[in-house]
Amino acid sequence: AAGVIQSPRHLIKEKRETATLKCYPIPRHDTVYWYQQGPGQDPQFLISFYEKMQSDKGSIPDRFSAQQFSDYHSELNMSSLELGDSALYFCASSLDVPDTQYFGPGTRLTVL
Amino acid sequence: AQSVTQLGSHVSVSEGALVLLRCNYSSSVPPYLFWYVQYPNQGLQLLLKYTSAATLVKGINGFEAEFKKSETSFHLTKPSAHMSDAAEYFCAVRLPMNYGGSQGNLIFGKGTKLSVKP
Repeated sequence: AAGVIQSPRHLIKEKRETATLKCYPIPRHDTVYWYQQGPGQDPQFLISFYEKMQSDKGSIPDRFSAQQFSDYHSELNMSSLELGDSALYFCASSLDVPDTQYFGPGTRLTVL
Repeated sequence: AQSVTQLGSHVSVSEGALVLLRCNYSSSVPPYLFWYVQYPNQGLQLLLKYTSAATLVKGINGFEAEFKKSETSFHLTKPSAHMSDAAEYFCAVRLPMNYGGSQGNLIFGKGTKLSVKP
C-alpha cells in the first residue's frame, strides 16, 4: 500500500539558511500534519492542513511557514535556521481530520 | 489540556517474557488513544488505537492495550517478547474532533525504549 512520502530524507544546512521540506500524503488523504522530533524527544505538533486550508497550529516558530497545495502535498518552509532546528520532521496524513494519522519516514534536518 | 505520561523511559525484558509498557493520560473528556512504534531512523508506525469502541484493543505484531477509564490508563502489552520488538514506543492522545477546539493533532508521551535480551 502507498505510504506517506517525504523528501528529502536528509538535509544539511548552515545557520541562517532556508530549507524546504516536502510531504506527499497517501492518495485520497486530504489532511496533513507536521511534527518536529528533537533528539531524544517526543514528536511535537507544528501545524496541520485540511483541504488546503490551515486547520490548526501548534508550537511552530514564526520563522516557519507551510502550505498545502491543490494536489494535497504540503511543504514546510523554514527560514533563518538555527542550531536548535536540527531535528527529525515528520509528516502524517489522514483521510478526513478525525481519522488515523499515518506517518512518513521523516526528514532529518541538521543545522551546522 | 490533554497530556500523556509514559512510566519508564527504558524497559528491558528477556525474549519470550511479557511486555508491559505503561501509559496514563489526562483529559477533560474521554480521548482517543494511540500507540505508535518507532524503529531506529524510521518513522512512526501505528500499533493500535482506541476510539471509544471496545476497551480492549488488539493491534499488529501481537500487541494489545486496554483502555481503563477509572485508572486513566492505556497500557500496552504483549504476552511474549521477540527480539524484533526492540524499538521506541510512543503513547499518544487526542481529543474527539472539534471538542475544545481540537483539530485532531496528536499529543505524544516521552516514549519508552524497549530492549529485548536474548
